[in-house]
Amino acid sequence: DAGITQSPRHKVTETGTPVTLRCHQTENHRYMYWYRQDPGHGLRLIHYSYGVKDTDKGEVSDGYSVSRSKTEDFLLTLESATSSQTSVYFCAIRPGTVYGYTFGSGTRLTVV
Amino acid sequence: SQELEQSPQSLIVQEGKNLTINCTSSKTLYGLYWYKQKYGEGLIFLMMLQKGGEEKSHEKITAKLDEKKQQSSLHITASQPSHAGIYLCGAVIIQGAQKLVFGQGTRLTINP
Repeated sequence: DAGITQSPRHKVTETGTPVTLRCHQTENHRYMYWYRQDPGHGLRLIHYSYGVKDTDKGEVSDGYSVSRSKTEDFLLTLESATSSQTSVYFCAIRPGTVYGYTFGSGTRLTVV
Repeated sequence: SQELEQSPQSLIVQEGKNLTINCTSSKTLYGLYWYKQKYGEGLIFLMMLQKGGEEKSHEKITAKLDEKKQQSSLHITASQPSHAGIYLCGAVIIQGAQKLVFGQGTRLTINP
């Protein structure tokens, strides 16, 4: 979607290795989110940020950490990847109260 | 746990038929968002509802938020192959919260 990009788009990694996913926005929005999508679960919130260095946990935060040192970048780190973290990860921004949350194109992560 | 329940989880309809997808919450809805996702792609924002009794339409898709603000329905009239995909409802269930919880999604298939 316009104004939000995720990288990488695809990644295969080995169990136990650290992985960092990046979300970049060009529109200076305050709120940014990381979700994971798994069959039968819809989207589940991992972490979100409400400003530089201000973050909070979502419903499935165990095994994940985040950082936001600049308004435009929100990083999601899997400290030691496990097979249960194989998923599609979506980043989102919130443009304002009258607009829907805007989602990135997703990162497909496979942990082998 | 699933605070938002979508039904049905899967739906196959003949092209040209009408259909309805429901999203039911165990808590009061303070904002309800409908998204569409094509297979393997990101989420496309459809509509946002905030007030009980509110109804919005976009082309052949109509969404309603019931008066008691705990359920929303998405209705598609005269379905077309382009309507195929996964429909997700997302909601704010804590007043003032700046994050969405999602239902499991409804996979819609349109048969010609």
